[in-house]
Amino acid sequence: DIQMTQSPSSLSASVGDRVTITCQASQDISNYLNWYQQKPGKAPKLLIYDASNLETGVPSRFSGSGSGTDFTFTISSLQPEDIATYYCQQYDNLPTFGPGTKVDIK
Amino acid sequence: EVQLVESGGGLVQPGGSLRLSCAASGFTVSSNYMSWVRQAPGKGLEWVSVIYSGGSTYYADSVKGRFTISRHNSKNTLYLQMNSLRAEDTAVYYCARDTIFGVVSDWGQGTLVTVSS
Repeated sequence: DIQMTQSPSSLSASVGDRVTITCQASQDISNYLNWYQQKPGKAPKLLIYDASNLETGVPSRFSGSGSGTDFTFTISSLQPEDIATYYCQQYDNLPTFGPGTKVDIK
Repeated sequence: EVQLVESGGGLVQPGGSLRLSCAASGFTVSSNYMSWVRQAPGKGLEWVSVIYSGGSTYYADSVKGRFTISRHNSKNTLYLQMNSLRAEDTAVYYCARDTIFGVVSDWGQGTLVTVSS
């Protein structure tokens, strides 16, 4: 199985701050990497697919980059509605998710 | 509009069985990759199973041999038959549609399965 790690596990930032989350795969997964947002009590929502492609309807303040084993997810200007847990997920093999990063407002 | 509505969750004793259903609308289940993803209380997401449009099925090691994914084409419904349930299977189970295998674009609201005596 391909293992996914994320850091940090949680963060607090101010509205308007740039927020960055990193995700690392245990082996090369090319660009087969997605990012999801999950708000409390809700189903996850796809934000970024294939490492850097923005899903239709997702605000442009969200972005992703990386390939191989190292990936980055960025919120360019944190908004109150971005409070959520963010998960990376690989699909080079049977899908596996990272442990998540909880984002709060400071 | 794509809609996925799960049902069938509930309380079951260890060793018991349960069948989850996912009624889909707005698209054809048999023409898509359909998955189940679960989330234990307060924990992260875990992929469980997928059925390809061609009928091939795959499972996470944690459920292989105990869970079976299937679909009923005329009812446009996805199923997850869960046997030999364990306490660690306790989770919210989400039905999902993949745009391509592994990219989950649509999710149901989830159904809670609790395995406890």
